[in-house]
Amino acid sequence: AQTVTQSQPEMSVQEAETVTLSCTYDTSESNYYLFWYKQPPSRQMILVIRQEAYKQQNATENRFSVNFQKAAKSFSLKISDSQLGDTAMYFCALVDNDMRFGAGTRLTVKP
Amino acid sequence: GAGVSQSPSNKVTEKGKDVELRCDPISGHTALYWYRQSLGQGLEFLIYFQGNSAPDKSGLPSDRFSAERTGGSVSTLTIQRTQQEDSAVYLCASSERQGAFGNIQYFGAGTRLSVL
Repeated sequence: AQTVTQSQPEMSVQEAETVTLSCTYDTSESNYYLFWYKQPPSRQMILVIRQEAYKQQNATENRFSVNFQKAAKSFSLKISDSQLGDTAMYFCALVDNDMRFGAGTRLTVKP
Repeated sequence: GAGVSQSPSNKVTEKGKDVELRCDPISGHTALYWYRQSLGQGLEFLIYFQGNSAPDKSGLPSDRFSAERTGGSVSTLTIQRTQQEDSAVYLCASSERQGAFGNIQYFGAGTRLSVL
């Protein structure tokens, strides 16, 4: 069975600061992908970053980076230099042959 | 098209009525997914299509829910005899193919269904 757990329902951060969103998962597969999606108030889910489980190097995408700990089944998202436009729901997702999402973390960036 | 298109963007209906939600995936994407997102919740998987076939219908919450896809493109999700608990945002996504590798899903903006 696959589960994805996001233990922080809500978080806030001051503009220009750094924030880390946590995600843990469980899977019996050895090969899988992990994703972080962003859902702003417009409802459009937008891919933020993707990690391939067989790659040890943590993925980075501009201000977004992940800390992927395969043994611990942890996949946290770090947002550096937070911007007001980063305010959104953030969903962690796991996919091997199915896709499962966490319950989401609502992030508010304060001016 | 350039992105996944869903229509209508909002739908208000009366309890007991049938509704149809439409999804037009990115051109060339063979896999299509439907999710339900209740207020303040994560995404609940409903069904996915590979081409026109639906190998996994396990997420459909009841027999009032059905979906079809024709021509490997547009899909419709039908909810019969709607109930108030069906109120949610219904999201559609498409990807180049189903499976572990390269399975990036691109989402539409969803249909917000309100059952009165």
